[in-house]
Amino acid sequence: GAVVSQHPSWVICKSGTSVKIECRSLDFQATTMFWYRQFPKQSLMLMATSNEGSKATYEQGVEKDKFLINHASLTLSTLTVTSAHPEDSSFYICSGLAGVGGQFFGPGTRLTVL
Amino acid sequence: QKEVEQDPGPLSVPEGAIVSLNCTYSNSAFQYFMWYRQYSRKGPELLMYTYSSGNKEDGRFTAQVDKSSKYISLFIRDSQPSDSATYLCAMSLFSGGYNKLIFGAGTRLAVHP
Repeated sequence: GAVVSQHPSWVICKSGTSVKIECRSLDFQATTMFWYRQFPKQSLMLMATSNEGSKATYEQGVEKDKFLINHASLTLSTLTVTSAHPEDSSFYICSGLAGVGGQFFGPGTRLTVL
Repeated sequence: QKEVEQDPGPLSVPEGAIVSLNCTYSNSAFQYFMWYRQYSRKGPELLMYTYSSGNKEDGRFTAQVDKSSKYISLFIRDSQPSDSATYLCAMSLFSGGYNKLIFGAGTRLAVHP
């Protein structure tokens, strides 16, 4: 199947700092990528949809100024959590769209904000 | 009411048992129905996807969709300890030009030797 990577896999940062997470499609071109957040023992919640070369579409309740998404190429999307706070600590997962209905997920990035 | 309902479990079964995982949904606009497996601290892995009502089989896994009842199932035959994971059902909805996925809560499965 299609492979998606994420970097870093785990990051710890101080409150108030910004953190960038990269999502790459390794063996396919993903014109559309999705960013999800998952709290412990809960399901994935879609945060935003990003398309290569255009602005991301955010789900209701997600602050676009806090979670900056850039989809600069067909294989790379980045999520920057700005001025992170402890409540932003979560598991962030991206996926790339490969064909109709086929989303392939990255391994996730665990963010811990102290 | 959530759009997708899934019993979070946990579900504990002995090795070799047949496992039945289920989801119900309320939105008749859902087009594709998927099952993902997620190991702890990993991203979800696509197991199966179906479009129409009926059964689809892949090895020990069988996905079943009943659109009239808005009910989907995943059966695992001859379950193994390596099947221990969280199983997420997901349904795609074409919205805003994309197929968005709506996930169930996930069912935690433990298969013990």
